Amino acid sequence: SQTIHQWPATLVQPVGSPLSLECTVEGTSNPNLYWYRQAAGRGLQLLFYSVGIGQISSEVPQNLSASRPQDRQFILSSKKLLLSDSGFYLCAWRSDSNQPQHFGDGTRLSIL
Amino acid sequence: GIQVEQSPPDLILQEGANSTLRCNFSDSVNNLQWFHQNPWGQLINLFYIPSGTKQNGRLSATTVATERYSLLYISSSQTTDSGVYFCAAKTLTGANNLFFGTGTRLTVIP
Repeated sequence: SQTIHQWPATLVQPVGSPLSLECTVEGTSNPNLYWYRQAAGRGLQLLFYSVGIGQISSEVPQNLSASRPQDRQFILSSKKLLLSDSGFYLCAWRSDSNQPQHFGDGTRLSIL
Repeated sequence: GIQVEQSPPDLILQEGANSTLRCNFSDSVNNLQWFHQNPWGQLINLFYIPSGTKQNGRLSATTVATERYSLLYISSSQTTDSGVYFCAAKTLTGANNLFFGTGTRLTVIP
């Protein structure tokens, strides 16, 4: 069966520090992968999605970037974090666009 | 992108009561999902329901694609049903991603 893993679960970082969040999907090949952010008490906002290795689409201009170095790996990065980058980051996958999307457990990021 | 609106924004129920949550969307969809976000933030898939009706225990959902809405029914609610319920939709054409509503926050009190 397919599984999705995100880490870390919680992260506290100072303003200006770099960021790397990792998401890995097992048990499926060539999944569509997604990064979302959820601000406190609000809905999910799509940040990036990828339909294949090295293919990244950005939905909203951000202080963030994404990379897909392997088929099953999706990484969210920043060179210098801002206070506004705080939030709950969720990775998701699906096998193709007509299948349901499945989410990881998320990373709660706090910027101090 | 598609607009997804959920109602009501907040709902408080006595344990054992039934409820209906609504999701309206502004365009034709080929993917509609209902999620439950628990207090720990986990997004749990409830239904993948671009059309028709499905049931899973005390929960059921109906999507009327031609009228652009979906309903989530919760019967005999329990305190563990508390959390935020999200509807998310993807259009037939356009973006390759789900657009989320702002959610319904459900609180079930004993």
